[in-house]
Amino acid sequence: EPEVTQTPSHQVTQMGQEVILRCVPISNHLYFYWYRQILGQKVEFLVSFYNNEISEKSEIFDDQFSVERPDGSNFTLKIRSTKLEDSAMYFCASSERRGGGTEAFFGQGTRLTVV
Amino acid sequence: GDSVTQMEGPVTLSEEAFLTINCTYTATGYPSLFWYVQYPGEGLQLLLKATKADDKGSNKGFEATYRKETTSFHLEKGSVQVSDSAVYFCALGATSGTYKYIFGTGTRLKVLA
Repeated sequence: EPEVTQTPSHQVTQMGQEVILRCVPISNHLYFYWYRQILGQKVEFLVSFYNNEISEKSEIFDDQFSVERPDGSNFTLKIRSTKLEDSAMYFCASSERRGGGTEAFFGQGTRLTVV
Repeated sequence: GDSVTQMEGPVTLSEEAFLTINCTYTATGYPSLFWYVQYPGEGLQLLLKATKADDKGSNKGFEATYRKETTSFHLEKGSVQVSDSAVYFCALGATSGTYKYIFGTGTRLKVLA
């Protein structure tokens, strides 16, 4: 069964460092997403990406964050200068279509720890 | 804006007990509704969904009915098992004008043998 894969599963970084979280969405999907979940809290939307551009972003997704689909298969989230409060589980997701009951498929997540 | 409200957890039940996890939503338009489950240390997996009013989604003994009149999508299971212990998230699908799925806060379920 096709699945969304994320690497690494766990990343520890020093405050102020740049991190890149990587995702390979399901191959025929057109919509891509990043969500985050701070430990024990809700799953928060960060950004959606369609047709090689950001289609929607939340207030969390400030200038420190960027996304890219560099080669038609990978989908990356970059945090330019990490803060302690960026520590969270980051989930990548993809969907085939938008709306109409289409579900989003989620990866296993990358646990980011900023020290 | 659109939002999802779930009952606070944790919910602790004995094996074979009846489960209800309440979910209500606020949305413009006609969203699809989803229940996702997160087992310990894992990502989010789709459990069931419903796309229009009065639809019933079901999977693995879980059911939820899309009630437009009460804007609810409560999750139920007649007899829970220890293996059902997980965090359950109610979610709204994208409606016109938005691309995102909106999640509730999650409800942790613990089933005791």
